[in-house]
Amino acid sequence: DTAVSQTPKYLVTQMGNDKSIKCEQNLGHDTMYWYKQDSKKFLKIMFSYNNKELIINETVPNRFSPKSPDKAHLNLHINSLELGDSAVYFCASSGADTQYFGPGTRLTVL
Amino acid sequence: GDSVTQMEGPVTLSEEAFLTINCTYTATGYPSLFWYVQYPGEGLQLLLKATKADDKGSNKGFEATYRKETTSFHLEKGSVQVSDSAVYFCALSGANDYKLSFGAGTTVTVRA
Repeated sequence: DTAVSQTPKYLVTQMGNDKSIKCEQNLGHDTMYWYKQDSKKFLKIMFSYNNKELIINETVPNRFSPKSPDKAHLNLHINSLELGDSAVYFCASSGADTQYFGPGTRLTVL
Repeated sequence: GDSVTQMEGPVTLSEEAFLTINCTYTATGYPSLFWYVQYPGEGLQLLLKATKADDKGSNKGFEATYRKETTSFHLEKGSVQVSDSAVYFCALSGANDYKLSFGAGTTVTVRA
């Protein structure tokens, strides 16, 4: 059973489009996150939700909107995609001090 | 704010060589410290962790000791294998929240 899953694994789209990435965790954790990994492998947190409430928003453009319909899901919607949004996006969840990561979604904006 | 500095790569080693990746941190309070590993084309996996000073985390032959006096959490393995080729990330989570701050990652390649 996959603990943290993301769909899709790959996403290729044109500039200006809107896209969503879905994340689900079956670990029973209260807190979920989105991270962005750039082409140099640098990882940076974007958002964190605890029990469906936003608790961290790290100066991400408002074209990015996370949505948590319940505590097992945290989706990421991106409007008006730009070339610079190309990256790998990781979802993670934690119940205490350890985070568990999904396999990542590689987004390519053409 | 909290930050992590780790040794720049890439690092290339022969099989059975000794591996050390240096990691130092800046944080207020008493953070928890982690090493994550990312194998080619995969997500991040927790390798080991330590939650208080002098704790030693270990897994798969890797070890790291939480040194508060030197604010370090260096990763070591005595004899690497080709299958250890990956990117290794040092990270910390603050005392007041669970946000992870990552180092830049160190790419390790082990040659047969």
